[in-house]
Amino acid sequence: EVQLVESGGGLIKAGGSLRLSCAASGFTFSTYTMNWVRQAPGKGLEWVSFISSSTGYIYYADSVQGRFTISRDNDKHSLYLQMDSLRVEDTAVYYCVRVARNFYGFDIWGQGTVVTVSS
Amino acid sequence: EIVLTQSPGTLSLSPGERATLSCRASQSVSNSFLAWYQQKPGQAPRLLIYSASSRATGIPDRFSGSGSGTDFTLTISRLEPEDFAVYYCHQYGDSPPYTFGQGTKLEIK
Repeated sequence: EVQLVESGGGLIKAGGSLRLSCAASGFTFSTYTMNWVRQAPGKGLEWVSFISSSTGYIYYADSVQGRFTISRDNDKHSLYLQMDSLRVEDTAVYYCVRVARNFYGFDIWGQGTVVTVSS
Repeated sequence: EIVLTQSPGTLSLSPGERATLSCRASQSVSNSFLAWYQQKPGQAPRLLIYSASSRATGIPDRFSGSGSGTDFTLTISRLEPEDFAVYYCHQYGDSPPYTFGQGTKLEIK
């Protein structure tokens, strides 16, 4: 079964750091582009970051540029998001998301991990 | 950055009716890299439509997408009870930043 499982969320004070992980299974992780997408409580979806299969291309939303770092370990079939200098407005469910072949949309989503940043 | 505006914000319909959801982009979406997702409470989004008009694997044929350039539409031909949810459009053209619409809530009338 194709699956993405996030972990690492929790309650953290503003200014702190968290590292999210996403474990992939059921597909050849190293050949897929991956993203992080978040959703604040009661709000819509917000794209956060992109990493190509070989890590040659990395992009961030302006809202997290300079504070978040995306990475991947293809040998461990894992995606990561290092989040530093966290702000209250970073509070959200964070989803690990696979980009389908030929850029046919974001086809596989994890169940999400909750990050709560308190003041 | 391409801004996506969805309308209406809320759509109230009955099972068996036809639903038409709109997504308008602030500039042309390259290669029609426009997708639609369905999200139910407490669940992750599910891909319905990619490349503006292609159904994802396992999606019933009552769901269809159309449009190009800046105007896109998701149509649900005959609503089933399980279709009541929030729907998002999403542009993923060329390279990031990617953007999502603010969502349309489809509720039971």
